[in-house]
Amino acid sequence: NAGVTQTPKFQVLKTGQSMTLQCAQDMNHNSMYWYRQDPGMGLRLIYYSASEGTTDKGEVPNGYNVSRLNKREFSLRLESAAPSQTSVYFCASSSNPGGNTEAFFGQGTRLTVV
Amino acid sequence: EDKVVQSPLSLVVHEGDTVTLNCSYEVTNFRSLLWYKQEKKAPTFLFMLTSSGIEKKSGRLSSILDKKELSSILNITATQTGDSAIYLCAVDQAGTALIFGKGTTLSVSS
Repeated sequence: NAGVTQTPKFQVLKTGQSMTLQCAQDMNHNSMYWYRQDPGMGLRLIYYSASEGTTDKGEVPNGYNVSRLNKREFSLRLESAAPSQTSVYFCASSSNPGGNTEAFFGQGTRLTVV
Repeated sequence: EDKVVQSPLSLVVHEGDTVTLNCSYEVTNFRSLLWYKQEKKAPTFLFMLTSSGIEKKSGRLSSILDKKELSSILNITATQTGDSAIYLCAVDQAGTALIFGKGTTLSVSS
């Protein structure tokens, strides 16, 4: 049972380059999320998708876009990477938004922007 | 503004000690409070608390929610080096997403 799968695991970008982080879940969850984690900052919500076809901004959405491609997949795009976007990115999913169920996390993507 | 505050931010203890980690919150549409443990990679789920005063236990770990005080504690008894990790508190908001605190970094020395 794969759970939540993120790709890639590591990435180095030059300032101004673009890339897409991929996330897929096989638990038939309705809700998916993207967080970033920086030292001493906990997990900060970038975007979330409460259900297929909907997306909403979280705490730190600037510089990012998302696509909920279907129920399984939720991608995060950096159009023009900046050094401030160097971080560890986690995708997560849960059965319902605020649905009293735990969120399951992918293994993370460590992104460095130089 | 919705927020989740954890304290202390870091803690160093000796093996065998008992520790208490704190989490307080101010959020709208509270549904539940969750605790996660994060070692090298992804956070792993520990507890979900929805009702005040009911303790959840798993081995040496236990947690309880106080809705009147808008807070929760996570206790770890007889700590081991394997308990060294970041402990994250999150609040589940109805209709949105988990809001996390900054975490407590626990270091257990042998």
